[in-house]
Amino acid sequence: TQLLEQSPQFLSIQEGENLTVYCNSSSVFSSLQWYRQEPGEGPVLLVTVVTGGEVKKLKRLTFQFGDARKDSSLHITAAQPGDTGLYLCAGAKVRGYSTLTFGKGTMLLVSP
Amino acid sequence: GAVVSQHPSWVICKSGTSVKIECRSLDFQATTMFWYRQFPKQSLMLMATSNEGSKATYEQGVEKDKFLINHASLTLSTLTVTSAHPEDSSFYICSLERGGDTQYFGPGTRLTVL
Repeated sequence: TQLLEQSPQFLSIQEGENLTVYCNSSSVFSSLQWYRQEPGEGPVLLVTVVTGGEVKKLKRLTFQFGDARKDSSLHITAAQPGDTGLYLCAGAKVRGYSTLTFGKGTMLLVSP
Repeated sequence: GAVVSQHPSWVICKSGTSVKIECRSLDFQATTMFWYRQFPKQSLMLMATSNEGSKATYEQGVEKDKFLINHASLTLSTLTVTSAHPEDSSFYICSLERGGDTQYFGPGTRLTVL
């Protein structure tokens, strides 16, 4: 059973377009992280959200944690080729217990 | 964020040999580190939790005698793939937790077993 469902699995868009990636679960998470990973490298943390309904912005990226802390979304405005990569959401079930459950990832390709 | 290094970044070995991968925390004393493996175009799969000074905790389905983990100091954890086979070829990534639930990842090690 995949505890965190990520969609879409693959997204190919043109530079300047907007996009949203979703991370859904039937389980409640104490916190949720979003990472970006480039080929041949380890994931790099983008953001951690911990409060239901929380919205965080990182330049052109907007992250939202659902009110019930079961889902999250990542919205990218005016995507650029440098945004290309694998986006992973990961949730922690219990606060302070660090084992993370990862979604399957969304591969984003932004073409010039 | 924490700075995590891995060595080697890539390794090619013959089937039947053992390979050791090091994970170092460069700026933080980590009592807990994590080891993941990742197949091409797939997500990360947690293999084990490495605890400093004690035995690692392995996830279900991961052979502890095949993947030996040693966390001998607060800045170093090692993963040894014993008697490697081609199906062990993968991208191995370590991480550490530095406050809260967020993990910081190393750059990964690409293992190819011929």
